[in-house]
Amino acid sequence: SYVLTQPPSVSVAPGQTARITCGGNNIGSKSVHWYQQKPGRAPVVVVYDDTDRPSGIPERFSGSNSGNTATLTISRVEAGDEADYYCQVWDSSSVIFGGGTKLTAL
Amino acid sequence: QMTLKESGPTLVKPTQTLTLTCSFSGFSLTTRGVNVGWIRQPPGKALEWLALIYWDDDKRYSPSLRSRVTITKDASKTQVVLTMTDMDPVDTATYFCALSLGEKQQPNYFDYWGRGTLVTVSS
Repeated sequence: SYVLTQPPSVSVAPGQTARITCGGNNIGSKSVHWYQQKPGRAPVVVVYDDTDRPSGIPERFSGSNSGNTATLTISRVEAGDEADYYCQVWDSSSVIFGGGTKLTAL
Repeated sequence: QMTLKESGPTLVKPTQTLTLTCSFSGFSLTTRGVNVGWIRQPPGKALEWLALIYWDDDKRYSPSLRSRVTITKDASKTQVVLTMTDMDPVDTATYFCALSLGEKQQPNYFDYWGRGTLVTVSS
């Protein structure tokens, strides 16, 4: 089965740029979606189809996808961006989630 | 405004069958491109997809749970039901239902989520 690999944690100082990766075999050929989940809350999509942002999501959130790695980039990180982030793809008629990355604003 | 809400037992015993209901409003499951899925999350762990039902009643299941999970819809009552058999303590999790918009052949995402319901499996 298809596996998505994310780093367990990423730490960045406020105001800096955070990059959260999602690794998968030839993931560049798939559409990747990214969710933000804060404690006790349901996930919220922040980037879909590799690079698109839903309305209401700040431009600070952006995505890229090539080769075996997709990346969620959060510019000018704020304390409010602290959350767990999950990538998601479809593979063989199944929804696949990554293991999640905890973003900490130091 | 599209809303979803999960309901069901908070505690089930091992070997029992879990039945959860997702009640929704603001959309119709008979409309082409409207799909509802179930996702769970054990405490402190990652999201895990369980099942998805399409507007035309087609269904998809997680390969690892296919033998235990069934998803059905009752469009007239605007509900989607998930049943999971032979529950085990490792199935303790928050169970979410979520709306996915798009055609079957498209790699859709989950646009709207319910708040989730915590189900504990214990004797």
